[in-house]
Amino acid sequence: GQSLEQPSEVTAVEGAIVQINCTYQTSGFYGLSWYQQHDGGAPTFLSYNALDGLEETGRFSSFLSRSDSYGYLLLQELQMKDSASYFCAVTFGNEKLTFGTGTRLTIIP
Amino acid sequence: GAGVSQTPSNKVTEKGKYVELRCDPISGHTALYWYRQSLGQGPEFLIYFQGTGAADDSGLPNDRFFAVRPEGSVSTLKIQRTERGDSAVYLCASSAGLEQFFGPGTRLTVL
Repeated sequence: GQSLEQPSEVTAVEGAIVQINCTYQTSGFYGLSWYQQHDGGAPTFLSYNALDGLEETGRFSSFLSRSDSYGYLLLQELQMKDSASYFCAVTFGNEKLTFGTGTRLTIIP
Repeated sequence: GAGVSQTPSNKVTEKGKYVELRCDPISGHTALYWYRQSLGQGPEFLIYFQGTGAADDSGLPNDRFFAVRPEGSVSTLKIQRTERGDSAVYLCASSAGLEQFFGPGTRLTVL
């Protein structure tokens, strides 16, 4: 089966930069996505990597290396509202998402 | 509405009862997905519709779970003979491409 591992918790300081890693043991997927979920809320799409390399979307960037079975989400200029859970997810041909274990990010002043 | 809506937002039922969970996708989205999320975990895929047909139901845990989308829009997830282990948040998502748009979920509690 597929498994995507993430650190369970990360704490970072407001205004700083944080990287959330995702390592996986799966192959043949089309791309790696990242979703943000606030407590009690719906997951919302952040970023997608179909190819190896860095994708930048405002304060958020995402990276994928298929040869290393590794990806990460980089959040810059952290704000208190960035406190949330972050999930990586792989997409296969039928576009269903297989989610990682999730990382709970806490931003402190 | 502009987003995906789900009803009810909360459902409490007794073990052995039947429940139906409803999802209204974004208008025009042909793809619709159901996921289940337990506390502290990522969403787990259940079933995927493309139009009216179930294109992939490999995530349904057993035959107590069934979903329909008769007119290619609204979908209903049906759970028979509920068990305490079915307690979770059931999320619906729709898409017209890469990005999936999730609804707020239905929190199901089986007593």
